[in-house]
Amino acid sequence: DSGVTQTPKHLITATGQRVTLRCSPRSGDLSVYWYQQSLDQGLQFLIQYYNGEERAKGNILERFSAQQFPDLHSELNLSSLELGDSALYFCASSPDLGAGYGYTFGSGTRLTVV
Amino acid sequence: QQQVKQSPQSLIVQKGGISIINCAYENTAFDYFPWYQQFPGKGPALLIAIRPDVSEKKEGRFTISFNKSAKQFSLHIMDSQPGDSATYFCAASKPGRRALTFGSGTRLQVQP
Repeated sequence: DSGVTQTPKHLITATGQRVTLRCSPRSGDLSVYWYQQSLDQGLQFLIQYYNGEERAKGNILERFSAQQFPDLHSELNLSSLELGDSALYFCASSPDLGAGYGYTFGSGTRLTVV
Repeated sequence: QQQVKQSPQSLIVQKGGISIINCAYENTAFDYFPWYQQFPGKGPALLIAIRPDVSEKKEGRFTISFNKSAKQFSLHIMDSQPGDSATYFCAASKPGRRALTFGSGTRLQVQP
């Protein structure tokens, strides 16, 4: 167990729907990162939050949004889902702003859009 | 634009052999180069990392070799074991290190 908890583990939904993925960071970690892992794009950085504030943005679609709550857990919201959004979504956490000493990844949420 | 190119895509090594995975980067602003190991159904886990001020870092059976002038770095797994069978990702980040840019991954299979 890495200490980063992601729920749900699996999610199957239809096109056009909206889903919310949840992440609880490792105890003491203030930064949360979201990554998308697909077969054709590999691991792609989506967004980072640090202590409740957005700090970095990657290749995140406008249909996707995220937030980090006062208890430091984070949610990734995916709306108007398309077949191409099917992927593994990973959350990672780190103690500070950067990945200088490595992220700790959760086990991911496998999203299947049908 | 793929900023970190990883090869080979897959690798089969006999138990006890040396596994070598290579990565090349384009952005000279990168200053942190970690390697991650991922088992099926799990998230990537940090294996070993290097900064460009050293040419080699060794931790147990795992060694990173870094060539700053060639903009290349590689992972060597000595005495490879079946338990090392996993997907390996190289990555890089810039100062501030907020986002990691990952290579495409190498699926390593160590045969008994």
